Amino acid sequence: AQSVTQPDIHITVSEGASLELRCNYSYGATPYLFWYVQSPGQGLQLLLKYFSGDTLVQGIKGFEAEFKRSQSSFNLRKPSVHWSDAAEYFCAVGARNYGGSQGNLIFGKGTKLSVKP
Amino acid sequence: DSGVTQTPKHLITATGQRVTLRCSPRSGDLSVYWYQQSLDQGLQFLIQYYNGEERAKGNILERFSAQQFPDLHSELNLSSLELGDSALYFCASSVGPTGEETQYFGPGTRLLVL
Repeated sequence: AQSVTQPDIHITVSEGASLELRCNYSYGATPYLFWYVQSPGQGLQLLLKYFSGDTLVQGIKGFEAEFKRSQSSFNLRKPSVHWSDAAEYFCAVGARNYGGSQGNLIFGKGTKLSVKP
Repeated sequence: DSGVTQTPKHLITATGQRVTLRCSPRSGDLSVYWYQQSLDQGLQFLIQYYNGEERAKGNILERFSAQQFPDLHSELNLSSLELGDSALYFCASSVGPTGEETQYFGPGTRLLVL
């Protein structure tokens, strides 16, 4: 079965420091991968996505993620964190049934990011 | 603003009751998904509709049902509510039905069952 693991439940970084949030997936074929961010009391906002092609993808708010097939990973990075980045981050894989007609997302448990001033 | 709207924003009700959550997808999107977010289960897929037809089912309880109407809005009906149904319910929409489509999420409906 398809699954997504985010090993870090909570991460604290200092403002201006670099950030890497880990995501590992379990999937038999090339997955569709997504990172979403959820601010307190808000819905989910798409940061970036990977479908195919260049394994380094750029997203909004200065985020990027790299798809590494050999490691089944899709880690999210940002070179310099801002206080406004404090939120919960979710990695997700696009599900696919045998017929290819299903489209729901399978989410990891999320990583809560706190930013120290 | 994702363009997906959900009403109501908050809902407080009692055990045993029935509620209806409503979702309007982005203009042009044919696919609607419902997800449940709870502290213990995280974000779980409930059900998907595409152009009025049920496309996929996830961890949706028999007490829950959904439909998508001709104008493409969707409703999620939760009945015989239990304390454990308290959660944030998200609706998402996408243009097509498959996993490579970007899903845009609404702000959610927070349900509290007392």
